[in-house]
Amino acid sequence: DVKVTQSSRYLVKRTGEKVFLECVQDMDHENMFWYRQDPGLGLRLIYFSYDVKMKEKGDIPEGYSVSREKKERFSLILESASTNQTSMYLCASSLDRGRGYTFGSGTRLTVV
Amino acid sequence: AQSVAQPEDQVNVAEGNPLTVKCTYSVSGNPYLFWYVQYPNRGLQFLLKYITGDNLVKGSYGFEAEFNKSQTSFHLKKPSALVSDSALYFCAVRDGPLSGGYNKLIFGAGTRLAVHP
Repeated sequence: DVKVTQSSRYLVKRTGEKVFLECVQDMDHENMFWYRQDPGLGLRLIYFSYDVKMKEKGDIPEGYSVSREKKERFSLILESASTNQTSMYLCASSLDRGRGYTFGSGTRLTVV
Repeated sequence: AQSVAQPEDQVNVAEGNPLTVKCTYSVSGNPYLFWYVQYPNRGLQFLLKYITGDNLVKGSYGFEAEFNKSQTSFHLKKPSALVSDSALYFCAVRDGPLSGGYNKLIFGAGTRLAVHP
């Protein structure tokens, strides 16, 4: 089975900190995605990547950046964390664009 | 633009009764449709998908979904609900090239299913 691993399940950071959320997949998937999940809003796409060193903005990229230096790893970066970035962050990968995604277990980030 | 709507925030059903979680979509071209389930403090798990073929799609844990092109719906169903089915369910549609998209998935807001003993 494809495994998508997010490095932290729970994270507490202070306002203004630079935060790195890491995601690693073990099945050579080209496509990787970062979503945030908030009650009543469902999943909103932050950034996605279809290849190494390639990135595309999703629906809510403001305040975030990403890095994909290796195929298996897709990092989400909060340049200066703010309290409105408190959320559940979900990473996903897929073999090709038309298939379903495999999700990681999520990182619940609290910014205080 | 592609979109998906889940009109119910919550669905309540008694154990043993049939359940339906509703989903409607808007796409350009042929739809690729998906259902995912999320248990508390977990990521999303794939349940089933419709690409082409039979309108009734069978998936994991006894769930099935019916694709209805005329009603642009893809409702999730199960003949007999279990308490363990209680979770958050997401419908998703592929954002395809005909709408200028990148073939990524667009998710609905989610429907919470509560199955009571």
